[in-house]
Amino acid sequence: EIVLTQSPGTLSLSPGERATLSCRASQSVNSNSLAWYQQKPGQAPRLLIYGAYSRATGIPDRFSGSGSGTDFTLTISRLAPEDFAVYHCQQYTTPPLTFGGGTKVEIK
Amino acid sequence: QVQLQESGPGLVKPSETLSLTCTVSGASISSYYWNWIRQPPGKGLEWIGYSHYSGSANYNPSLKSRVTMSVDTSKNQFSLSLTSVIAADTAVYYCARWGGDHLQSFDSWGQGALVTVSS
Repeated sequence: EIVLTQSPGTLSLSPGERATLSCRASQSVNSNSLAWYQQKPGQAPRLLIYGAYSRATGIPDRFSGSGSGTDFTLTISRLAPEDFAVYHCQQYTTPPLTFGGGTKVEIK
Repeated sequence: QVQLQESGPGLVKPSETLSLTCTVSGASISSYYWNWIRQPPGKGLEWIGYSHYSGSANYNPSLKSRVTMSVDTSKNQFSLSLTSVIAADTAVYYCARWGGDHLQSFDSWGQGALVTVSS
């Protein structure tokens, strides 16, 4: 099973700042099968990024994904008030499908 | 617009069977792969497995011995059965659509159903 480790566990930032979230895999992941989700309290996750780099429908361009192999990054260029949430990465290169433990982006 | 809605008991006794149904609207159940994902309170997401209208299914090895999933095309629904539940199975259970080979991710989710395992 591929283990995804997200860091940091919590990121404390102010609106307008840049957020950089890391997702590290225990073995190489096919970029086609690396995705990022946003989850707000009491809500289901929402797809942000698929294929490591591609934004899902309706996702603002301040969200971007990068990386390859075992290291992937989600960047939020300028945090908007609605971006404070938990972010999860996911892989399906090798079954079973796995998620990272999540990074919480909180208001500083 | 695709919508998914989970339904089922919110409280299940230890050793009994957890059963949930997901009703799909805005899309045919005969397309895509349909998944269950759970999230224990305050914790991360865990993929349980998927089912397909063809009858194929794939489960997380960690739960495989206790899980059964199926699709009902006549009702546009799919279901989850988890046997011999314990307290650690307490979680919010989400149904979700796998977006296909292009997306390789979950593009539509239900709102989630909290299931508590307790006597």
